[in-house]
Amino acid sequence: QQPVQSPQAVILREGEDAVINCSSSKALYSVHWYRQKHGEAPVFLMILLKGGEQKGHEKISASFNEKKQQSSLYLTASQLSYSGTYFCGTESPGSNYQLIWGAGTKLIIKP
Amino acid sequence: DSGVTQTPKHLITATGQRVTLRCSPRSGDLSVYWYQQSLDQGLQFLIQYYNGEERAKGNILERFSAQQFPDLHSELNLSSLELGDSALYFCASTGGMGDGYTFGSGTRLTVV
Repeated sequence: QQPVQSPQAVILREGEDAVINCSSSKALYSVHWYRQKHGEAPVFLMILLKGGEQKGHEKISASFNEKKQQSSLYLTASQLSYSGTYFCGTESPGSNYQLIWGAGTKLIIKP
Repeated sequence: DSGVTQTPKHLITATGQRVTLRCSPRSGDLSVYWYQQSLDQGLQFLIQYYNGEERAKGNILERFSAQQFPDLHSELNLSSLELGDSALYFCASTGGMGDGYTFGSGTRLTVV
């Protein structure tokens, strides 16, 4: 029931774009995205809610396909600071607002 | 400062010992979650509290217990510690549906 994230890892040059995907087998109410740098706490990036509402950082964009139970995070013109591991967390109806976390996508940005 | 306070930041203890990790949620948040993260692994959900009551349990060992107090701070108690319990322990709080999780900076536990 853990959402599947892809790719597992990606290496980019500064300025390149990346897409990280999150796919669930369960009906979803919301999808969250977080970034974690090594040894630090995960930081909230964005939440996408059923019905189309989104909340998050202005420089981050993402999509949520409710029918396919999939979400994608778009990182454009990547900067060195984007490096880290990206986790998606999914919430299903009736889950008492407990997120099920993906295994993470490791993003390395090289200068 | 994320608004979620965890103490202590580091803890080194011997096998067989017991420790208590503390978490103060962001002001106004009623939900508290505890997670364990081993080296380069994902977030393993341990337990969730809402306004003092246990809401959900994950893969929490019987040697581990937690509670949330009337002032909403939470404590995670780890006993009979084993080497494999060495990990980062995070707590997170949220205001509810439609709100993201805010994580504390974590407690790094090392069992020697």
